[in-house]
Amino acid sequence: KQEVTQIPAALSVPEGENLVLNCSFTDSAIYNLQWFRQDPGKGLTSLLLIQSSQREQTSGRLNASLDKSSGRSTLYIAASQPGDSATYLCAVLRGGADGLTFGKGTHLIIQP
Amino acid sequence: DTEVTQTPKHLVMGMTNKKSLKCEQHMGHRAMYWYKQKAKKPPELMFVYSYEKLSINESVPSRFSPECPNSSLLNLHLHALQPEDSALYLCASSPAPANYGYTFGSGTRLTVV
Repeated sequence: KQEVTQIPAALSVPEGENLVLNCSFTDSAIYNLQWFRQDPGKGLTSLLLIQSSQREQTSGRLNASLDKSSGRSTLYIAASQPGDSATYLCAVLRGGADGLTFGKGTHLIIQP
Repeated sequence: DTEVTQTPKHLVMGMTNKKSLKCEQHMGHRAMYWYKQKAKKPPELMFVYSYEKLSINESVPSRFSPECPNSSLLNLHLHALQPEDSALYLCASSPAPANYGYTFGSGTRLTVV
């Protein structure tokens, strides 16, 4: 059974800092990995999708890397802002119709 | 249209009520999903519909009954729920069951009293 672990569980930093959020998964046979953002009581917003054949994806201040063989992904947030405060979820797609398996998330607070 | 729309946003129901959650997408996606999320927990998969056919039921109690009337619409029928079923119910879609990114709706906050 696929297990996804996210470290740290929570993080609080002053604005302007560069951050790294970590995600690891036990079964390297994945189709893709997706990073989401969730604001309190809201749905999930997709940030980045990395296909299994890719090493990284970038969108604005966000960069996600994937090392499938070691079962790891990192989400890099540059020049953090208070508006980045949210829970960040990592999810992997293992099989065709298996659905996503999520980590427990990193709760991020950016202090003004 | 790049959204998944869920209605209602909030629902309070008694344990003897029957209600339905609705999910709609017009992106031409052929896979649709229901997830349940309890407070401070990650989403958990409930059902997967692939080309309008139920392909996965993650051992969900029969008081939850999914329905996919067409490729754009997904319903979740609720009956005789328990207070522990109170949660955020999320709908998602993807172009096909494999190897594509998911788009999630904003969810329905369900409270069972």
